[in-house]
Amino acid sequence: GAGVSQSPSNKVTEKGKDVELRCDPISGHTALYWYRQSLGQGLEFLIYFQGNSAPDKSGLPSDRFSAERTGGSVSTLTIQRTQQEDSAVYLCASSWGPTNEAFFGQGTRLTVV
Amino acid sequence: RKEVEQDPGPFNVPEGATVAFNCTYSNSASQSFFWYRQDCRKEPKLLMSVYSSGNEDGRFTAQLNRASQYISLLIRDSKLSDSATYLCVVILGTYKYIFGTGTRLKVLA
Repeated sequence: GAGVSQSPSNKVTEKGKDVELRCDPISGHTALYWYRQSLGQGLEFLIYFQGNSAPDKSGLPSDRFSAERTGGSVSTLTIQRTQQEDSAVYLCASSWGPTNEAFFGQGTRLTVV
Repeated sequence: RKEVEQDPGPFNVPEGATVAFNCTYSNSASQSFFWYRQDCRKEPKLLMSVYSSGNEDGRFTAQLNRASQYISLLIRDSKLSDSATYLCVVILGTYKYIFGTGTRLKVLA
């Protein structure tokens, strides 16, 4: 079956603009995660969804970042008023449950110029 | 202290060598552990889960030492295609995947 799908794969935006990143998890996966990876760095946890609820948003770096999930499926990560330090690869992952192995999408490479 | 720590490497080894990586974690309540592999500019991919009794998958062996709070990955008979970054993952609580920063492996011809 299909894996985790993210779109767009690349996004270049001007500083101050809003961006929306999309994640389509594997069908039936209830847990969904967003991570951020800057060049040469490790993965930084952003937010976790169980179904449509986000019990842990502790990793969102500022109130410019928000995320939602609808229908227990698709999730969007929105960054408002983008800054250059937001440039990174944003990775989405999903799993059957919160302690099962997570499968990653190919990521969205965001560049803020 | 970081929640999950790995030696960043790089580990440069010749083809056919055996190489081992360790990863230490700080939360003794951690229950689930994984090794992921990440190729340059690609997403992480699950390599193997780590079970309490240790587990093996072909040339790869993963072990867990709860008393000393570390997990290890052993790669035997290294191939050029094993060159990648190996990420240690610990689940804190019931859901929070915490990734180490990764250990870079380069297998040389």
